[in-house]
Amino acid sequence: SAVISQKPSRDICQRGTSLTIQCQVDSQVTMMFWYRQQPGQSLTLIATANQGSEATYESGFVIDKFPISRPNLTFSTLTVSNMSPEDSSIYLCSVGGQAASNYGYTFGSGTRLTVV
Amino acid sequence: AQSVTQLGSHVSVSEGALVLLRCNYSSSVPPYLFWYVQYPNQGLQLLLKYTSAATLVKGINGFEAEFKKSETSFHLTKPSAHMSDAAEYFCAVSKTGGGNKLTFGTGTQLKVEL
Repeated sequence: SAVISQKPSRDICQRGTSLTIQCQVDSQVTMMFWYRQQPGQSLTLIATANQGSEATYESGFVIDKFPISRPNLTFSTLTVSNMSPEDSSIYLCSVGGQAASNYGYTFGSGTRLTVV
Repeated sequence: AQSVTQLGSHVSVSEGALVLLRCNYSSSVPPYLFWYVQYPNQGLQLLLKYTSAATLVKGINGFEAEFKKSETSFHLTKPSAHMSDAAEYFCAVSKTGGGNKLTFGTGTQLKVEL
């Protein structure tokens, strides 16, 4: 199965600033997904990122707040913009596509974000 | 739309006892079903998956789950709990094929007591 390197693993940020999270995959994958896990809660999908097209956002999430880049089949970034304390969460990337059918969706180790 | 419901946000068992974590799904199309485990301050690890092959699925660490279409269930079991099994467990569903998003349940925190 694919191996994902996600960074940073954690960060403490000032409100009003932005943080970019990176995910690097060790193989080419069609679909990448970005999730948010708020404290003590389950995972919620933010958006789906395909290479070469605009990301598709779930209800409640907008591109201005969570811009995503997908420049190639092995890399994606998620930016959390104009942060507030409510954005304090764990953010995880995941890969899908054919590999997921065979091996299950793989997740990065997550970025633990605290906004102060 | 697809969804999963995990019954019991907290489950406590004695070491050596049976572990049973419940998951029921709703899907208008044949689903793929997954169980993930999350240890404290760590990411998600896949325990097992159902992708329309055998209905009894065996996973890592001695866990298994059985897909029961008639009951729309995919409960996770382990015959004998170990202290190291204490973690958060998530059931998730997707449409068939890896190009579809995962929808997660609310999670079950498993506590294992001596």
